[in-house]
Amino acid sequence: DSGVTQTPKHLITATGQRVTLRCSPRSGDLSVYWYQQSLDQGLQFLIQYYNGEERAKGNILERFSAQQFPDLHSELNLSSLELGDSALYFCASSVGDTPKEQYFGPGTRLTVT
Amino acid sequence: GEDVEQSLFLSVREGDSSVINCTYTDSSSTYLYWYKQEPGAGLQLLTYIFSNMDMKQDQRLTVLLNKKDKHLSLRIADTQTGDSAIYFCAAISGGYQKVTFGTGTKLQVIP
Repeated sequence: DSGVTQTPKHLITATGQRVTLRCSPRSGDLSVYWYQQSLDQGLQFLIQYYNGEERAKGNILERFSAQQFPDLHSELNLSSLELGDSALYFCASSVGDTPKEQYFGPGTRLTVT
Repeated sequence: GEDVEQSLFLSVREGDSSVINCTYTDSSSTYLYWYKQEPGAGLQLLTYIFSNMDMKQDQRLTVLLNKKDKHLSLRIADTQTGDSAIYFCAAISGGYQKVTFGTGTKLQVIP
């Protein structure tokens, strides 16, 4: 158990809908990272927040957004969902503002039908 | 940007050593990592090496880094069936310190 929690574990929704994925980092970690893992794209970095501020951006679509709250938990919002958004979404956390030592959560499996 | 490549599959017999290889493209990569992913689970950080090191050993795991060839390897000694998983190589590079992951190598351990 890495100490990073993600909810929900599974999510099934229809195209065009909007969903919110939630992540709680390990105690004491200030950074949260979001990743998407799919069969065709592999594991892709989406976005990083550090102590409430956006720190780095990867291959995140405009339909996706994220935020980190004062209690350091983070939410990833996915809107206008398409079939191709079906994937595993992982959250990771680290103490500092670099991903030097990241710890991953168990992931949320999103299925868009 | 950074590109990280791995072979897709490796099969070894229980008790043998496994060697998983990885190449990366950005010579300014600072940290290089190995993660393990078991079915239905997240990624578990196994070990990492700083770019000024050539080798790091941690119990059954040995990481070798050849900076000149931008080649990283993970050796697992006395491979066990519990080592069956997908192993990801990853590199941190760039001003924003982003992590780029390889495609993963599926290790199958035959009893």
